[in-house]
Amino acid sequence: DVKVTQSSRYLVKRTGEKVFLECVQDMDHENMFWYRQDPGLGLRLIYFSYDVKMKEKGDIPEGYSVSREKKERFSLILESASTNQTSMYLCASSPSAYGYTFGSGTRLTVV
Amino acid sequence: AQRVTQPEKLLSVFKGAPVELKCNYSYSGSPELFWYVQYSRQRLQLLLRHISRESIKGFTADLNKGETSFHLKKPFAQEEDSAMYYCALRGGSARQLTFGSGTQLTVLP
Repeated sequence: DVKVTQSSRYLVKRTGEKVFLECVQDMDHENMFWYRQDPGLGLRLIYFSYDVKMKEKGDIPEGYSVSREKKERFSLILESASTNQTSMYLCASSPSAYGYTFGSGTRLTVV
Repeated sequence: AQRVTQPEKLLSVFKGAPVELKCNYSYSGSPELFWYVQYSRQRLQLLLRHISRESIKGFTADLNKGETSFHLKKPFAQEEDSAMYYCALRGGSARQLTFGSGTQLTVLP
């Protein structure tokens, strides 16, 4: 079974802090994704990566950046956390032409 | 641009009744469609994809290109089907999926 592991299940951060969300997958998938999940809005794509050091903006990249230095790890960075970034963050990975495998999510609260 | 619409935020049915979760999409080419499910306190997982044409846990979904729909159906709902369901689309050679807003299904005893 592919495993996608998100390092934190719950995080509470203060407004203005720099926040790192980490995601690791163990099946050599080239594609990795960060979504945020909000009630009534579904899943919205923030960024994705199709190779080491490669990244593409999703639908809502503002206020976020990403890093992929190794194939198995994809980090989401909130440069200066704001209260409207309070959300559930989901990481996923996939090989080229298949569906995603998701992590269990990180619930971030910005106070 | 591609878009996925799930018109029902909430859907309740009684155990044993048929259930249909609606999904409509907007995409100019040939899409690949998926249904994902999230049970309480579990991670989001793939339920089925249209190109597999399979039935998973009694659920089926048929891609109707004329109506641009991919509705999820089950003839006899079970209480364990209660979950959040998301429809998703991959367009062309894209790597990423576009998700709908989700439907929370509750199966009542």
